[in-house]
Amino acid sequence: DIQMTQSPSTLSASVGDRVTITCRASQSISSWLAWYQQKPGKAPKLLIYQASSLESGVPSRFSGSGSGTEFTLTISSLQPDDFATYYCQHYDRYSWTFGQGTKVEMK
Amino acid sequence: EVQLVESGGGLVQPGGSLRLSCPASGFLFSSYWMSWVRQAPGKGLEWVANINPDGSEKHYVDSVKGRFTISRDNAKNSLYLQMNSLSAEDTAMYYCGRVWQWLCDSWGQGTLVTVSS
Repeated sequence: DIQMTQSPSTLSASVGDRVTITCRASQSISSWLAWYQQKPGKAPKLLIYQASSLESGVPSRFSGSGSGTEFTLTISSLQPDDFATYYCQHYDRYSWTFGQGTKVEMK
Repeated sequence: EVQLVESGGGLVQPGGSLRLSCPASGFLFSSYWMSWVRQAPGKGLEWVANINPDGSEKHYVDSVKGRFTISRDNAKNSLYLQMNSLSAEDTAMYYCGRVWQWLCDSWGQGTLVTVSS
């Protein structure tokens, strides 16, 4: 089974900061990687798919990169609405695996 | 607008059963794969099961194989999850989701399942 490992688990940042979250796969997953944002008590929201494609309606300050086993989610300038937990996800026809999550909190 | 509304959660004893429902609206339900994803209290997301548009192909995470069954009724635009032999480890918020390009692009608000004596 493919394992997804995110780092860091928690990230303290301020409004305006550039934030980068890393996700590593235990084996190559090509570009089958998505990123979600989740706020407390809410369902996850799709941000990025195919490693780097921005979901419609998602602000352009969010970007994704990588392929194979290493991926990053970058928020170019952190906004107050961005404090949340972020999950990476490997997906294919047969199974999905999520990373353990990265909580972005206020410094 | 895509709408997914989970129901059927609640308190159940270990070893018990529960059936979750998720009526869908705002899209052509019969054309989409659908999914269940769960989240234990204070924990991360865990995929549970997917089902193809006509219900002939189903995939499950290993921890629920043989205990959970995903199904759908396209005439009723509804997704289901039959959960048997429940244990404390199944306690979670259960979300249904629409699958697009093999990932979840729309989610319901979730229904809470608590397994406890």
